[in-house]
Amino acid sequence: EAQVTQNPRYLITVTGKKLTVTCSQNMNHEYMSWYRQDPGLGLRQIYYSMNVEVTDKGDVPEGYKVSRKEKRNFPLILESPSPNQTSLYFCASSFSRGSEQYFGPGTRLTVT
Amino acid sequence: EDKVVQSPLSLVVHEGDTVTLNCSYEVTNFRSLLWYKQEKKAPTFLFMLTSSGIEKKSGRLSSILDKKELFSILNITATQTGDSAIYLCAVGADSGNTPLVFGKGTRLSVIA
Repeated sequence: EAQVTQNPRYLITVTGKKLTVTCSQNMNHEYMSWYRQDPGLGLRQIYYSMNVEVTDKGDVPEGYKVSRKEKRNFPLILESPSPNQTSLYFCASSFSRGSEQYFGPGTRLTVT
Repeated sequence: EDKVVQSPLSLVVHEGDTVTLNCSYEVTNFRSLLWYKQEKKAPTFLFMLTSSGIEKKSGRLSSILDKKELFSILNITATQTGDSAIYLCAVGADSGNTPLVFGKGTRLSVIA
């Protein structure tokens, strides 16, 4: 089954404790993105990647890192999480620029 | 700067009503406009539009694009409570690097 998977689905952590949210797709897509979704602000892009070893900042990259060592995986790293990073995070992938994006199930992160 | 604006932000209708959701955009080198439905989880794809004046239809949902006036509408006829969701509009471009630019969404509530 074609899908985007994320782990964990829910995470509660404390300020400053490094964490990684994994994202994997099995559709051989070149494009992958991370979004955060907050009430009233819609989906905001954090980082995106157009191919292996090619990543770039989106609209709200501060406090986040990503890597794209393999085509299928695109982990999101929070080196020192803060409460303002409490949000719902989505990973997405697409075959090409401007084409349909497939979303993962979301990761609800709470930083206390 | 690329921009996608959706209206209204929120609306409440009764079952059986017809609704029209709007999406206007400003983007350089437009490629595609996409509609997504988001219930309590990840956005799911509805339509992708690339050509003006050609209606896309799926059951009670339909959408059309006007590339001259830079907008799209999503129509839902005979609404049901299961149509309650956030509807997201996104635009893809051939220029720039980001795969898609999302609007903030329209929250539709259908009451019995």
